Amino acid sequence: SQQGEEDPQALSIQEGENATMNCSYKTSINNLQWYRQNSGRGLVHLILIRSNEREKHSGRLRVTLDTSKKSSSLLITASRAADTASYFCATDEGGTSYGKLTFGQGTILTVHP
Amino acid sequence: SAVISQKPSRDICQRGTSLTIQCQVDSQVTMMFWYRQQPGQSLTLIATANQGSEATYESGFVIDKFPISRPNLTFSTLTVSNMSPEDSSIYLCSASKMTGELFFGEGSRLTVL
Repeated sequence: SQQGEEDPQALSIQEGENATMNCSYKTSINNLQWYRQNSGRGLVHLILIRSNEREKHSGRLRVTLDTSKKSSSLLITASRAADTASYFCATDEGGTSYGKLTFGQGTILTVHP
Repeated sequence: SAVISQKPSRDICQRGTSLTIQCQVDSQVTMMFWYRQQPGQSLTLIATANQGSEATYESGFVIDKFPISRPNLTFSTLTVSNMSPEDSSIYLCSASKMTGELFFGEGSRLTVL
């Protein structure tokens, strides 16, 4: 079953603007990850945030995690046309399920030049 | 990191036939997984490929339909058996090391007529 719900389902912005995507999940987690998928390609790992972390940065990416609300957000700053892709959050429940990820429905991001 | 090669990248098959997808990783990994992704949809975990033993299947997936092998730490195969049009999908091989992130192949796009 799908753990994560993402919103918005689709997001269209202009180059240079910021893009924010949100993810909610249902069970306790060991970590939460974000992936990008360009059309017709495999997924690329962007960032991993552990359950005891609240915020993490990587280049133009900023991820927050609120375990009390079971939610996460991905912020892409100063977006570029090359950021156009689908973005998925994925949760790792840990324990005996460590390493097995459950993916959200994804957000389709379109960045217009 | 790990680079994952999958083949075939795409195939068109007849109903009732079987197809085996191969997945090769360029370095040793701890875990390997097979996911299915319907066009425009999220990823659903089929099974965890266990080295030298039977795969661990998720709810809704069975060994007779999706036999999986993993003879060593860097190679796995997924067979889609007795295919029907409902099996048309993208099948993705993924692998992880102890860092927790997943590396993905480019996927195998299967169309069943």
